[in-house]
Amino acid sequence: DQQVKQNSPSLSVQEGRISILNCDYTNSMFDYFLWYKKYPAEGPTFLISISSIKDKNEDGRFTVFLNKSAKHLSLHIVPSQPGDSAVYFCAASLNTGNQFYFGTGTSLTVIP
Amino acid sequence: KAGVTQTPRYLIKTRGQQVTLSCSPISGHRSVSWYQQTPGQGLQFLFEYFSETQRNKGNFPGRFSGRQFSNSRSEMNVSTLELGDSALYLCASHGLGEKLFFGSGTQLSVL
Repeated sequence: DQQVKQNSPSLSVQEGRISILNCDYTNSMFDYFLWYKKYPAEGPTFLISISSIKDKNEDGRFTVFLNKSAKHLSLHIVPSQPGDSAVYFCAASLNTGNQFYFGTGTSLTVIP
Repeated sequence: KAGVTQTPRYLIKTRGQQVTLSCSPISGHRSVSWYQQTPGQGLQFLFEYFSETQRNKGNFPGRFSGRQFSNSRSEMNVSTLELGDSALYLCASHGLGEKLFFGSGTQLSVL
């Protein structure tokens, strides 16, 4: 049972434009959400996170939005750069912090 | 701080063999989790260890097992390998209330 879902397997965006990656979850008890970026044959690297007590968190070009009522979060990258081309995973955890649930990933391609 | 270290980086095995993968977490992290990544399946959770005890387990057959040592280093073992076990196996560690830090993974190919 996939508790975290990324329904778009891939996304292409022009350099300089906004990239929006979406993620939905089913468990209302999740209270910590994260985005990871992954290049081929490498481990995922942490990008940005948000606690359930917030609805927005920014870090440079990256902003994560959380809509708890819709059980939806999104990652905005502005402006998109070719180096952002990677697979992006969203993840969620319960307040125990013991187990992280990952989505299936969205492959972002930023076209120069 | 040194990051999460996984060895070996690449492995080639044949069906029916067994394999052991190793993971050294970030110093001070007591929790180690293992994930399997295959194309189109995202990161599938295998198990999580904390202080030498398996605390959580994903939905994988019993051929997949793991353990954690007193120094927090962890190993995972896959017995009777099948072609479908070919994947990138990722280890991650985290401290209390922290995010996951991943190693570079072990790319396992089963022929």
